[in-house]
Amino acid sequence: DAKTTQPPSMDCAEGRAANLPCNHSTISGNEYVYWYRQIHSQGPQYIIHGLKNNETNEMASLIITEDRKSSTLILPHATLRDTAVYYCIVRVAGSNDYKLSFGAGTTVTVRA
Amino acid sequence: GAGVSQSPSNKVTEKGKDVELRCDPISGHTALYWYRQSLGQGLEFLIYFQGNSAPDKSGLPSDRFSAERTGGSVSTLTIQRTQQEDSAVYLCASSSGLAGRETQYFGPGTRLLVL
Repeated sequence: DAKTTQPPSMDCAEGRAANLPCNHSTISGNEYVYWYRQIHSQGPQYIIHGLKNNETNEMASLIITEDRKSSTLILPHATLRDTAVYYCIVRVAGSNDYKLSFGAGTTVTVRA
Repeated sequence: GAGVSQSPSNKVTEKGKDVELRCDPISGHTALYWYRQSLGQGLEFLIYFQGNSAPDKSGLPSDRFSAERTGGSVSTLTIQRTQQEDSAVYLCASSSGLAGRETQYFGPGTRLLVL
């Protein structure tokens, strides 16, 4: 039962914005959207999370639609080091939902 | 500040040997998790420690696997009588707060190869 769906892969030009979509049409009202990425041969890296408002940090921006059925992770100026597998997951806040599980994610390749 | 650290970064062992993997969580984080990731596979939850509470060991695949967390900080994952199917990347994560609800931050992993 996949809670999120993501495109399997996408290419992005270095220096351009990368927009990564994620569908989570069955999301519950108390579920957060989390994004992690995993660069080859490294551990997963937390990027950002949000509930319903758009969020921005030093790494990325997260845009969540008003109905919360989908979201977009934006890397504003992609670099070659952003090449990684990006995972979108949903987690219930305030519960024992601590067993993280990643799907296949989106393999993002940033090209010079 | 320092992130989660793990050692060794790589471990090659022979089938039947025991191995110990170490995790140093982020200072002050009360929750610690072990996962493993096999080649091309997703995350597999192994065990969760929270403060002085009894750990959630529900993800350990067999009784050859065990983990300890001493003094609420460093954790060691031990695999006894290793098998080739134990080959994977073993990931440790930590988070602040209770019930594991906070953001989990991962270490670089230990790549275990059982020959």
